[in-house]
Amino acid sequence: GDSVTQMEGPVTLSEEAFLTINCTYTATGYPSLFWYVQYPGEGLQLLLKATKADDKGSNKGFEATYRKETTSFHLEKGSVQVSDSAVYFCALSDEGGSEKLVFGKGTKLTVNP
Amino acid sequence: NAGVTQTPKFRILKIGQSMTLQCTQDMNHNYMYWYRQDPGMGLKLIYYSVGAGITDKGEVPNGYNVSRSTTEDFPLRLELAAPSQTSVYFCASRRETGTSYEQYFGPGTRLTVT
Repeated sequence: GDSVTQMEGPVTLSEEAFLTINCTYTATGYPSLFWYVQYPGEGLQLLLKATKADDKGSNKGFEATYRKETTSFHLEKGSVQVSDSAVYFCALSDEGGSEKLVFGKGTKLTVNP
Repeated sequence: NAGVTQTPKFRILKIGQSMTLQCTQDMNHNYMYWYRQDPGMGLKLIYYSVGAGITDKGEVPNGYNVSRSTTEDFPLRLELAAPSQTSVYFCASRRETGTSYEQYFGPGTRLTVT
């Protein structure tokens, strides 16, 4: 079945450092890809998405590019802030009628001032 | 819009008790989902619904039941609580935007079974 693998955490960075969180997927067909963010004590929020190969999703300074040749959707940000501290989930949606999401295990990011 | 709301926020159950987790959305979304999130793990799909009167099992349905009598509400029922059901439960609903599908999540219910 479909699956998502993302880098193990936790990740600890200093403010203004560069962030990369790796995400690879296994799926048949052409899934849509998502990054969700979960701030402490809250539910998940959609951060960005891409629906086809070579699409780049971006939001709040975060970017990720849908790479079909490497089945990857790595999350990047050039300069992280303390407020970016959260858990980040990579996910894919299948092409079936229910459009269920399959999630990675999440990567906890802590940014220190 | 309130979005997706869940009640209660926290609950402690004894083994064998039952309870219903409530979920309501005011966005007129047809698709709704229940997930559980265990520590250090991603979200696992319990049940989902593609519209009022239609529900289907997800990856981890055992020990749970759902119903969908209206578009707005999608309650999750635990009949005989077990310690393995200690988790954080999230309800979500789906928005359609062209060919991409975004899910909107509620704030979660933290359940402890002792």
